[in-house]
Amino acid sequence: LAKTTQPISMDSYEGQEVNITCSHNNIATNDYITWYQQFPSQGPRFIIQGYKTKVTNEVASLFIPADRKSSTLSLPRVSLSDTAVYYCLVGETSSNTGKLIFGQGTTLQVKP
Amino acid sequence: NAGVMQNPRHLVRRRGQEARLRCSPMKGHSHVYWYRQLPEEGLKFMVYLQKENIIDESGMPKERFSAEFPKEGPSILRIQQVVRGDSAAYFCASSPLDPALQETQYFGPGTRLLVL
Repeated sequence: LAKTTQPISMDSYEGQEVNITCSHNNIATNDYITWYQQFPSQGPRFIIQGYKTKVTNEVASLFIPADRKSSTLSLPRVSLSDTAVYYCLVGETSSNTGKLIFGQGTTLQVKP
Repeated sequence: NAGVMQNPRHLVRRRGQEARLRCSPMKGHSHVYWYRQLPEEGLKFMVYLQKENIIDESGMPKERFSAEFPKEGPSILRIQQVVRGDSAAYFCASSPLDPALQETQYFGPGTRLLVL
């Protein structure tokens, strides 16, 4: 079971780039790295998923080094609406149940 | 394509009553997951179901909690004889494929249960 560690909170200002790093030292060979975003009073929303190197979509980029023991979610030019909790997850595949293990997440506060 | 639907969005119960939470997965999804989020905490996995089968209930409390996903109709999470500690947000998620393939899970808006 891969455990993730990420900062509890981060502050940023509008227009800045935000990088949130997650450690997952015990990641398994078959595990993907997935990031979810959760706004207050809403369910989590998928942001991005990757296995290695770099993945980019219209919302964010995900950087994964060769050893895969960490990953960095990069949010370009954040706005106030990006204030949310960001969860880094590593899929549990040992039992093939697909259940997601959520940690405390990183609370990002974007200020004007 | 409608997303995952949950109802009710808010539910108030007195101690000792029963709570029934409903989840309709996205169209075409046959895998349903329930998670619980206590105040100021992250989500905790409770149970994973496919149609008419419970696949993994390792996160379910041993007593008072049960879940089902019948052949027809929504998935139901049932809490009997609720206590104040059951107050939380309960989220349902669904996915279309084999979870071992690491398919994304799509979450509903949640049901917020308050036990008085």
